[in-house]
Amino acid sequence: AQSVAQPEDQVNVAEGNPLTVKCTYSVSGNPYLFWYVQYPNRGLQFLLKYITGDNLVKGSYGFEAEFNKSQTSFHLKKPSALVSDSALYFCAVRDEGGNNRLAFGKGNQVVVIP
Amino acid sequence: GAGVSQSPSNKVTEKGKDVELRCDPISGHTALYWYRQSLGQGLEFLIYFQGNSAPDKSGLPSDRFSAERTGGSVSTLTIQRTQQEDSAVYLCASSPPDRGNSPLHFGNGTRLTVT
Repeated sequence: AQSVAQPEDQVNVAEGNPLTVKCTYSVSGNPYLFWYVQYPNRGLQFLLKYITGDNLVKGSYGFEAEFNKSQTSFHLKKPSALVSDSALYFCAVRDEGGNNRLAFGKGNQVVVIP
Repeated sequence: GAGVSQSPSNKVTEKGKDVELRCDPISGHTALYWYRQSLGQGLEFLIYFQGNSAPDKSGLPSDRFSAERTGGSVSTLTIQRTQQEDSAVYLCASSPPDRGNSPLHFGNGTRLTVT
């Protein structure tokens, strides 16, 4: 079954510094990978996805992520963090050839310090 | 356009009571998911509906949990004889018909508190 690991509970970063949120995955076939962001008392909002093609994908709000098949990773990055980026970030994976269940990681709390 | 709508937004119930949570997906979305979000636990898959196919119920934690989807649209998640450990945010999501590469659209969730 597909699964996701987000090894850090919380990521603290100073405003203006680069932000990285780590994600590794496990699937039996080819992965469909997604990042979502959740603000307080809200549902999850889609940021970006990797399906196929270029390993570097760009998404909303200046975020990007790089698919690395050999390391089974899909880390989320932003070159210059904003205070408004403070939120809970979830990585998710679906197995291309399997069921349509989307497996989520436990989430990372990002705190951007002014 | 309208997003995924969930009601109620908050529900407080006494242990042992039954509750019903409602999800109204985006029009035209054939896939509908229920997830449970507990503090520090991430998102736990509960159940998945796709069109007229039999639902994937493999994530339901016990036989006290059930869900149905009427007419391929609105879905109701029912929890019978609620327990304190059922307290969580219940999230519904929908997606269009495709091969699974479309993102899910989430509602704002129902926060369930069992006292």
